[in-house]
This record gives sequence, structure tokens and C-alpha cells, in this order.
Amino acid sequence: DAGVIQSPRHEVTEMGQEVTLRCKPISGHDYLFWYRQTMMRGLELLIYFNNNVPIDDSGMPEDRFSAKMPNASFSTLKIQPSEPRDSAVYFCASSFRGPYNEQFFGPGTRLTVL
Amino acid sequence: DAKTTQPPSMDCAEGRAANLPCNHSTISGNEYVYWYRQIHSQGPQYIIHGLKNNETNEMASLIITEDRKSSTLILPHATLRDTAVYYCIVSRDSNYQLIWGAGTKLIIKP
Repeated sequence: DAGVIQSPRHEVTEMGQEVTLRCKPISGHDYLFWYRQTMMRGLELLIYFNNNVPIDDSGMPEDRFSAKMPNASFSTLKIQPSEPRDSAVYFCASSFRGPYNEQFFGPGTRLTVL
Repeated sequence: DAKTTQPPSMDCAEGRAANLPCNHSTISGNEYVYWYRQIHSQGPQYIIHGLKNNETNEMASLIITEDRKSSTLILPHATLRDTAVYYCIVSRDSNYQLIWGAGTKLIIKP
């Protein structure tokens, strides 16, 4: 298996622009997570899905952030409009339903908003 | 979920065993201890987990005290590639979130 795939790996954009981050989870996994990591705040959970349904989006910072999972093999995290404080590394992770909490992370997308 | 306490940083000589401590004094009876690590610029990687008994896999060993209030992750023969931030997390099954702390930055020195 190729693991969790994220694209793009790097994104540089200007304030006010729309940014879309993409994630392909591991086939067969029931859960998909979006995290954000910064030096100041560490690793934060933004939202997670179970069987394509959003379960908890309490970590989404503002209405400017939205996430979708139209099918089991694809998810997007959108920021519109983007701001410099959104600059961070965004990770997608997936896991399967089971007795253990083992999450598999993608390589991340490094977002820079100028 | 219970919280964990880890030292912010540790050094270890290459080839020696690296012992990373973690305190989780408020752990519940049905919570596991998980260890993940994050190598620079990569996503976190699962290492090992345990409930009560000591566990060993190809990456590491996990020693959990009898009262389950603390644990130690052991990398038996540390290499330079083991330099990373190591996170100790207590959680239940896949229905629960992982709460990430600051972890321990482990530096392996030649």
C-alpha cells in the first residue's frame, strides 16, 4: 500500500486566496483525520470523519476552514480566504475501526500564506 | 482522556539504549499507552502501544509500571535515524481522539 497520500506537498499563496489541500487515505480505513502543526501550538486535530461523515469539527478554527469527504478514498481541506496565520504544516491521517488507536499519517502539506 | 508528562528533551549516544519516560498518573483502566514519533519534516509514526503488560516489537519495547501510572519506551540500540520527537499518549480504541502533547525531543549523538 502506498500509505496516506497528500497533495500538494508545498503550497505558497497570497493572503485572501483560496487554498485546497487533498488527501487520499489508506484503502479500507474507516477514519480520516485532518491535523495542523505549528511551532507555537503543536499538533492540533481540526476535524475527523468516520465512514465519510464528519464526526467532530470542533477543532476547525474558523468558518474560513471547511472539509469534505465525498467518498472513502478522497478528502479535501479548504481555506477561503487564507490568512498569514494559517501558515502551518497540515497532516492527513487515517485509521481503521478497531480496539487500538493506530493512526497512519501522510507526509503533510507545508502551507505558506504571504 | 488522561494527560501525560514527558521531559522536553533527552540525549543518547549512538548504539546505546534510549529510555524515554512518561507519566500518566490519571490513566483510566481501559486506556492504552501509545507511543508515536515524528522525525523532522515527516508525519508522526506509530511505534507501539500497551495496556498492562510489557510489549516488544521490531522498533521498541514498552515497559508499563504495575500501577500503570508511568511507562518507559526503550529503543534498544539507538541510531542517528532515531533522532525525533517522541509522543506518549493515553487513549482508548479507535473511536477516541489522540491528544498530542509536546513530546520528548530525543537527540542521538554519534
